[in-house]
Amino acid sequence: KAGVTQTPRYLIKTRGQQVTLSCSPISGHRSVSWYQQTPGQGLQFLFEYFSETQRNKGNFPGRFSGRQFSNSRSEMNVSTLELGDSALYLCASSLGGRGSSSTGELFFGEGSRLTVL
Amino acid sequence: AQSVTQLGSHVSVSEGALVLLRCNYSSSVPPYLFWYVQYPNQGLQLLLKYTSAATLVKGINGFEAEFKKSETSFHLTKPSAHMSDAAEYFCAVSYSSASKIIFGSGTRLSIRP
Repeated sequence: KAGVTQTPRYLIKTRGQQVTLSCSPISGHRSVSWYQQTPGQGLQFLFEYFSETQRNKGNFPGRFSGRQFSNSRSEMNVSTLELGDSALYLCASSLGGRGSSSTGELFFGEGSRLTVL
Repeated sequence: AQSVTQLGSHVSVSEGALVLLRCNYSSSVPPYLFWYVQYPNQGLQLLLKYTSAATLVKGINGFEAEFKKSETSFHLTKPSAHMSDAAEYFCAVSYSSASKIIFGSGTRLSIRP
């Protein structure tokens, strides 16, 4: 079974530009979560999508947005990039269902490393 | 608000020695608890999880963790460290299968030859 795939793996942007990152979850997983990882702030939760709807949201400005498609693939977008947006962006998928059959464990991709100059 | 605290941002042990990484959570309801490991330039990999079954949980690579409700702790241990265990370890908590997972700040484990 293929794992979580994130593209691109590395990218460099300049301040003010925007970026779109893509995530393909494990087949059958309906939930996709996004995290930002930086040396200073650690792993910060951005948002989670389940069945094309945002189900949970972290404390990030509106410049950070996401969406999920009917095939569960997800994209996140960051507009008007700032130097502080340089980070490893991790996508994780899970079954996403409620109830005792699902423990909510996440399966992570290898991340997209964004550098803002 | 749910949170998890990892004591010690960096732990160094000798090869063959006991590994103990500490994690405490804040909660008044039974949580789901996880330990993840991250190797350089990679994503996170699940080591083990607690989901209200047995309090002693065994994971991959010889790691285990014990859920202690009275201490709100979920410390990770391994009897004998191996050089390949050098990585960053994250404790994480959630309160339902549909709620977000919150991660601790991580503990970098170094292994001395």
